[in-house]
Amino acid sequence: GQNIDQPTEMTATEGAIVQINCTYQTSGFNGLFWYQQHAGEAPTFLSYNVLDGLEEKGRFSSFLSRSKGYSYLLLKELQMKDSASYLCAVRDSNYQLIWGAGTKLIIKP
Amino acid sequence: IAGITQAPTSQILAAGRRMTLRCTQDMRHNAMYWYRQDLGLGLRLIHYSNTAGTTGKGEVPDGYSVSRANTDDFPLTLASAVPSQTSVYFCASSDSSSGGANTQYFGPGTRLTVL
Repeated sequence: GQNIDQPTEMTATEGAIVQINCTYQTSGFNGLFWYQQHAGEAPTFLSYNVLDGLEEKGRFSSFLSRSKGYSYLLLKELQMKDSASYLCAVRDSNYQLIWGAGTKLIIKP
Repeated sequence: IAGITQAPTSQILAAGRRMTLRCTQDMRHNAMYWYRQDLGLGLRLIHYSNTAGTTGKGEVPDGYSVSRANTDDFPLTLASAVPSQTSVYFCASSDSSSGGANTQYFGPGTRLTVL
């Protein structure tokens, strides 16, 4: 079966750095996405990786290793507004997105 | 530009009733999707449409139907609602015609409670 694993919850301090990991086992691979979802709101797109390596976008970076079935989202200079759930999703061989359950990130002052 | 809109925002429905959730996008995206999101689970695809006039079944299609008469609208119908269909429903769209990431963009969601 297809599976996306992420930690359920993480806590970090304002101003710090946090890394959210995602491992996947899917039938085929056509890209990996990270989305941010604030409570009661819709998911919003953060990043896309299809090749191995690091993609940097401001305070957020995303890394992919296809051989290890592994990705992480790195958030720097954490702000209180970064408190949200972070969703990892993999596009499979049918070009459909398979979603992880999300990681709830709690930022403390 | 609104992006994607969904209606209603929330709804309480008696079991056995028929309900249509509406979704409209103004981005001229060819592909549209319906997901449900339940606590502790990832988003699960219900139905999708790669282009107007075509639809396909996702991971959890039973009890739901869709239609795609034009590019902009993609309604989701529950023919006879059951309590297990209590969930938050998200509509999404993407432009898969130009290659690249084919990123999905989400509507604000409909919170449905079936009693």
